[in-house]
Amino acid sequence: KAGVTQTPRYLIKTRGQQVTLSCSPISGHRSVSWYQQTPGQGLQFLFEYFSETQRNKGNFPGRFSGRQFSNSRSEMNVSTLELGDSALYLCASRGGSSGANVLTFGAGSRLTVL
Amino acid sequence: AQTVTQSQPEMSVQEAETVTLSCTYDTSESDYYLFWYKQPPSRQMILVIRQEAYKQQNATENRFSVNFQKAAKSFSLKISDSQLGDAAMYFCACGGATNKLIFGTGTLLAVQP
Repeated sequence: KAGVTQTPRYLIKTRGQQVTLSCSPISGHRSVSWYQQTPGQGLQFLFEYFSETQRNKGNFPGRFSGRQFSNSRSEMNVSTLELGDSALYLCASRGGSSGANVLTFGAGSRLTVL
Repeated sequence: AQTVTQSQPEMSVQEAETVTLSCTYDTSESDYYLFWYKQPPSRQMILVIRQEAYKQQNATENRFSVNFQKAAKSFSLKISDSQLGDAAMYFCACGGATNKLIFGTGTLLAVQP
C-alpha cells in the first residue's frame, strides 16, 4: 500500500512568488492535514480537509490556503512568499483502519525562500 | 487550548540500554489522544505509539512503552534495548476529535554504540 506522497520534495522560490505543494493521501483516506515545521516554531498545524471541505484551520495568515479534490488529493498554496515561509511542509492523511486520530505523514516538501 | 511540553531537548543512551523521554501536556478536551512520533534524519515522521486518554492501561509496542499519568498530565516514552536505529527526533503530540495535533518541541535522541 503506497504511503502519503508529497511533491515536490525540494523547491526554491524568491520572495513575492507563490508556491503550490501537492499531497496524495493513502488510498482510501479521506482526511488530509498540513503542518509547517521550522526550527524556531516547531510543528504547527495549518489546516485539515475532509471530503473536499476545510474542517479546521490553524493560526496562519490568509496567504496560506489549501484545497482538496474529489480523489482526496490535496494542495496547499502560499502566495507572496516571505523569508519566514522557508520550512518543511508536511502532509498527513487519516482514515480507514488506522485507528483513532492516527496520522500517517509524507516525507515533506522542503521550501526555501530566498 | 492544548499545550505539549518536552523538557529534554537532547538525550543520549547506550546501545541495549533503556531510556525514558518525558512529555507533559495540557488540554481542555475531555476526549483526547496522545502520541509519540519519531522523525529520523530522513525526516519522515513515523508513529511510534499512541494512547487513548480514556484507557488506563499503558500502551506498549514491542520495545516501546508509555507511562501515562492522566492526573499529572504526563506521558513519557520508554525505549528498552535501545538500538542504533532508534536515533532520531522524538515528538510528543496531543490531539482531540480532529486531526489537529499539538506537538512538543521534540527530544533529539542519540544512541551510542
